[in-house]
Amino acid sequence: GNSVTQMEGPVTLSEEAFLTINCTYTATGYPSLFWYVQYPGEGLQLLLKATKADDKGSNKGFEATYRKETTSFHLEKGSVQVSDSAVYFCALSDGGGSQGNLIFGKGTKLSVKP
Amino acid sequence: ETGVTQTPRHLVMGMTNKKSLKCEQHLGHNAMYWYKQSAKKPLELMFVYNFKEQTENNSVPSRFSPECPNSSHLFLHLHTLQPEDSALYLCASSQGGSRTDTQYFGPGTRLTVL
Repeated sequence: GNSVTQMEGPVTLSEEAFLTINCTYTATGYPSLFWYVQYPGEGLQLLLKATKADDKGSNKGFEATYRKETTSFHLEKGSVQVSDSAVYFCALSDGGGSQGNLIFGKGTKLSVKP
Repeated sequence: ETGVTQTPRHLVMGMTNKKSLKCEQHLGHNAMYWYKQSAKKPLELMFVYNFKEQTENNSVPSRFSPECPNSSHLFLHLHTLQPEDSALYLCASSQGGSRTDTQYFGPGTRLTVL
């Protein structure tokens, strides 16, 4: 079945460090790919998405490129801030027929130290 | 962001109690979702409603009973729960149910079953 695998956390970085959170997927068909972020005590917020191969999603300095050849959607940011501390979830929407159910990875907790 | 609201935010109940979780979306969306977020497990999709019709039941035990009276409201009725049902229950909505639609999440209800 469809699945998402993302790197285990927690990840601890110093402010202004470079961030990469790896995400790979297994899916039939042509899924859409998403990164969601969950700040402490809150629900999930969409960070960025890509709906077809080679698309790049970007938002708030974060980027991820939909790589069909490597079935990956790695999240990157050039310079993290303390306010980026949160749990990051990679997800795919397999859309069998017209239904877009999200399948999530386990989440990666990021802590950014001043 | 108050597009999707959930009440109550916290709930403690005994195994013999009956309670309900409420979700309301103010985004004019047509699809609504219930997810369960447990410690150390990926987010699990429970139910999907599209235009008030249930389109997905992800093998959820019958002690969880969803209700969708209109496209803006979604309930999750709970009865005779088990301690392992303690989790964060998240509601989400999207414009439609397609694979490219973004899902918008509420803040969740933190449920503790004693």
